[in-house]
Amino acid sequence: SYVLTQPPSVSVAPGQTARITCGGNNIGSKSVHWYQQKPGQAPVVVVYEDGDRPSGIPERFSDSNSGNTATLTISRVEAGDEADYYCQVWDSSSDHYVFGTGTKVTVL
Amino acid sequence: QVQLVQSGAEVKKPGSSVKVSCKASGGTFSPYTINWVRQAPGHGLEWMGGLVPIFGTPNYAQRFKGRVTITTDESTSTAYMDLSSLGFEDTAVYYCARDRRGMGGFFDPWGQGTLVTVSS
Repeated sequence: SYVLTQPPSVSVAPGQTARITCGGNNIGSKSVHWYQQKPGQAPVVVVYEDGDRPSGIPERFSDSNSGNTATLTISRVEAGDEADYYCQVWDSSSDHYVFGTGTKVTVL
Repeated sequence: QVQLVQSGAEVKKPGSSVKVSCKASGGTFSPYTINWVRQAPGHGLEWMGGLVPIFGTPNYAQRFKGRVTITTDESTSTAYMDLSSLGFEDTAVYYCARDRRGMGGFFDPWGQGTLVTVSS
């Protein structure tokens, strides 16, 4: 089965840039989606497909995807960005959705 | 803008079954896939399975095959997830979510989640 690996945690100071990686075999050939989940809440998509953002999600959230690594970048980090972040793809070989292991972002 | 509203929290005994509902308001499921995702305490998101209502053929994650049944009632715009032979490890928050691209895309919106506690 297809596996997506994320670092368990990322710490960043306010105003700096946070980068969250999502590793998977040839993930660059897939569409990657990113979710933000705050404690006690359902996940919310922050970036989907080729870097699109839903309305209400600031431009500070962007992504890139190449080779075996996709990356969610949060620029000018704010205290409100502190949350768990998950990547997700569709694995066409199994017709299954796959989530990454999740990354906790801490704003120092 | 469709919203997904789930049924309330459940407490179940080991070996029993649970059925969680997910009702769409402000829209319908079709032609989108309705999926179920669970999250055990302190753990990540795990896709359990999904169903395209107009096709009616479910697609289950391997580890849940034989224990999970996903159905929909299009007349009431409600989806159901039935999980049987519950064990303590099934204690989790269960979410429904719609695939915005029909199938093979991303999940939006999500239901608010339903906590299922398995306790003797």
